Amino acid sequence: QKEVEQDPGPLSVPEGAIVSLNCTYSNSAFQYFMWYRQYSRKGPELLMYTYSSGNKEDGRFTAQVDKSSKYISLFIRDSQPSDSATYLCAMSGRSNYKLTFGKGTLLTVNP
Amino acid sequence: GAGVSQSPRYKVAKRGQDVALRCDPISGHVSLFWYQQALGQGPEFLTYFQNEAQLDKSGLPSDRFFAERPEGSVSTLKIQRTQQEDSAVYLCASSLDLSGGGTDTQYFGPGTRLTVL
Repeated sequence: QKEVEQDPGPLSVPEGAIVSLNCTYSNSAFQYFMWYRQYSRKGPELLMYTYSSGNKEDGRFTAQVDKSSKYISLFIRDSQPSDSATYLCAMSGRSNYKLTFGKGTLLTVNP
Repeated sequence: GAGVSQSPRYKVAKRGQDVALRCDPISGHVSLFWYQQALGQGPEFLTYFQNEAQLDKSGLPSDRFFAERPEGSVSTLKIQRTQQEDSAVYLCASSLDLSGGGTDTQYFGPGTRLTVL
């Protein structure tokens, strides 16, 4: 079993839909939780960062962390075609440098 | 400003050839990371530098993989005697390296796509 599990999809939604992406993990030492977006043939770019449990909102994006369930989520409101990409969850422990990624979920938002 | 750049963007090698992949981090970034991303997978950590010191190489898959950052800026990932299973995208990331345990965003380059025939 991998340390971080993420459903690879693909996920296809109409424009304007609310998208829910999630990851589960097994390593209780993870403290820092991130969501990266990766467009085709590009490197990952950081979308959201959360330390420990709780919610964080940034525009149309909301990240949630539930450490008791070892479950993290990313919600995208009013999804746009430009949101079409692969979304990767990533986590790190106290060292804060070695990121452990999920497989990524391929999202397509249809106009 | 300029982001992380990597060269070449694409590399085709015959099995058994040696390859060298270059990473130019963001100017002033102390930390540099290499990740390997196989097709349909998330990136996997290979190695980490703080300035010129290689502090963690636990993710390097074999002794055929070697990374260096001699002057604390540009880094090179070298793969000797390439095998088909080495085919992947090799991503480089850099970060400013804030001391004290705070968040430290890793900025990724576009990657080098290596295909071993």
